Amino acid sequence: NAGVTQTPKFQVLKTGQSMTLQCAQDMNHNSMYWYRQDPGMGLRLIYYSASEGTTDKGEVPNGYNVSRLNKREFSLRLESAAPSQTSVYFCASSEARGMDTIYFGEGSWLTVV
Amino acid sequence: GNSVTQMEGPVTLSEEAFLTINCTYTATGYPSLFWYVQYPGEGLQLLLKATKADDKGSNKGFEATYRKETTSFHLEKGSVQVSDSAVYFCALSVETSYDKVIFGPGTSLSVIP
Repeated sequence: NAGVTQTPKFQVLKTGQSMTLQCAQDMNHNSMYWYRQDPGMGLRLIYYSASEGTTDKGEVPNGYNVSRLNKREFSLRLESAAPSQTSVYFCASSEARGMDTIYFGEGSWLTVV
Repeated sequence: GNSVTQMEGPVTLSEEAFLTINCTYTATGYPSLFWYVQYPGEGLQLLLKATKADDKGSNKGFEATYRKETTSFHLEKGSVQVSDSAVYFCALSVETSYDKVIFGPGTSLSVIP
């Protein structure tokens, strides 16, 4: 029962470097999400994908790009990392839409120095 | 717009104490309401949900009732345990925007023996 798997779990980047966070789900879910979690801010939606081949901006998309590679995989890319992107990133999925239960990965801790 | 407000934490309780975590919401349309829990070092997981007014969600001894008249969804548990120590997030999803679940900032709970 893997559920939602995201990698890497920890990463330290220098300002200006790029990286991709990978995410895969094995529940045959249509919708996938990327959130960031910051102290006192709760979870904020970066991007989401309602189905394979579609992506949409969430609340805080600037500085990020996403790819819904297939139904299982949804990656998040930081093209030029900034210290403000230091955060914990969570990938998540749900069967259809947000009113369904959302299943989260274990999180990726990213530090930009 | 849609938003969720939670009581400020952290909350510290002794084992077997009664727990209430307040949650109020603002929404256009008819939201579904959720409580998610995040244990240390893990992703969020659904604790309970309610999809219409006066519904009561319950799980693991926790309960919350959807109160449309007061726009509230307070989380309660009659007797907390040390294992309940976690961060609790209230969330909503509105039928006109199912892909976007709005999370509150989270309330940290510590239960001491």
